[in-house]
Amino acid sequence: NAGVTQTPKFQVLKTGQSMTLQCAQDMNHNSMYWYRQDPGMGLRLIYYSASEGTTDKGEVPNGYNVSRLNKREFSLRLESAAPSQTSVYFCASTGRGATDTQYFGPGTRLTVL
Amino acid sequence: GEDVEQSLFLSVREGDSSVINCTYTDSSSTYLYWYKQEPGAGLQLLTYIFSNMDMKQDQRLTVLLNKKDKHLSLRIADTQTGDSAIYFCAETPSGGYQKVTFGTGTKLQVIP
Repeated sequence: NAGVTQTPKFQVLKTGQSMTLQCAQDMNHNSMYWYRQDPGMGLRLIYYSASEGTTDKGEVPNGYNVSRLNKREFSLRLESAAPSQTSVYFCASTGRGATDTQYFGPGTRLTVL
Repeated sequence: GEDVEQSLFLSVREGDSSVINCTYTDSSSTYLYWYKQEPGAGLQLLTYIFSNMDMKQDQRLTVLLNKKDKHLSLRIADTQTGDSAIYFCAETPSGGYQKVTFGTGTKLQVIP
């Protein structure tokens, strides 16, 4: 099992450019999440998908869109990147059990100039 | 909304014990977690505790929960240089398949 994979690992964009961050999991998990991590602010939830076909806003959804393409894949799109979106982005997934925890991908380090 | 707070930095000498503290505000928190993040990597679950427990021990790790004060701590015995990382406290009222609120993270530096 690869667990949770993310691509790309690093990306530099210019202000106004668009891009899609890809995430896939092979653990047959129902729920998937996108977080951003900024120094001194911990992890903040951008969007999550409780199950295939559903998505919901998290704490900081502005400037982002998501697609739950199928059970395995959950992508995050920046339509018009801004310097404030410079961050490290983590995808996570979890199963349905009460004791199930979140499994994290390795992260995508994004810089917007 | 829910809030989880941690101090940002802790420095200890190799071989000493480390204690990382966390406070949370959600009185309905049922599951509380500790995650470890090594440089350049994602978060990995270290341990978790249910709200009906006061203490959980797992090898060098001891988790203490004070529900009255909404205080959670992680003690690492015999701290090693490989324990240097950022440690995140997290909580959820309903289990890991629901939204989880993370703390800001505590960076642990182990001095040889």
